[in-house]
Amino acid sequence: QVTLKESGPVLVKPTETLTLTCTVSGFSLTNARMGVSWIRQPPGKALEWLAHIFWNDEKSYTTSLKSRLTISKDSSKSQVVLTMTNMDPVDTATFYCVRILLNSAFDFWGQGTMVTVSS
Amino acid sequence: QSALTQVASVSGFPGQSITISCAGTSSDVGSYNLVSWYQQHPGKAPKVIIYEVSKRPSGVPDRFSGSKSGNTASLTISGLQAEDEAVYYCCSYASSGTYVFGTGTEVTVL
Repeated sequence: QVTLKESGPVLVKPTETLTLTCTVSGFSLTNARMGVSWIRQPPGKALEWLAHIFWNDEKSYTTSLKSRLTISKDSSKSQVVLTMTNMDPVDTATFYCVRILLNSAFDFWGQGTMVTVSS
Repeated sequence: QSALTQVASVSGFPGQSITISCAGTSSDVGSYNLVSWYQQHPGKAPKVIIYEVSKRPSGVPDRFSGSKSGNTASLTISGLQAEDEAVYYCCSYASSGTYVFGTGTEVTVL
């Protein structure tokens, strides 16, 4: 079955860079029409799409955070990595790793990982 | 990329039908049939319940249905049940490979 699992620090300090890893199973990062997105959700707030990377290495980023985000994948390890620079307390959120189907929807979600930004 | 607009809360009695609207623009909802809806229970990850405007994934009850008219998408829950109490988010493709979510609607079963 398809699973996605996020890993990374629980706590980061302001101005630091956050690095999150998503390890997938049940599908390959080279499968046509499939990709992985990162979506975040601040406590008590709405979902926010951040970025995605597809099987063909096509990448997209949300406009407001584009300068701070980098997404990459290592298909041999079945991992997708998201980095977010210059972290701020307002970036405190649960970060979800999600499978996305091209021209369709986010169909499988990881359990999420809560990241707190505080000194 | 402004968030899609949803009413903050909707409530209904068991067995009733409710509709949640999702207002976008001609740059997102109005231009693409790539609207999806997600159900999120407290402390849980979201789950897709409608994709490509009106398609239902396997295992999602047929009391959930989706539609779109112009720049507004809608989710209807017919025959509301206690387990439908959750927060619902719409999402739309918004050009250049980007996506935008709605502000979320909390559904309460009275």
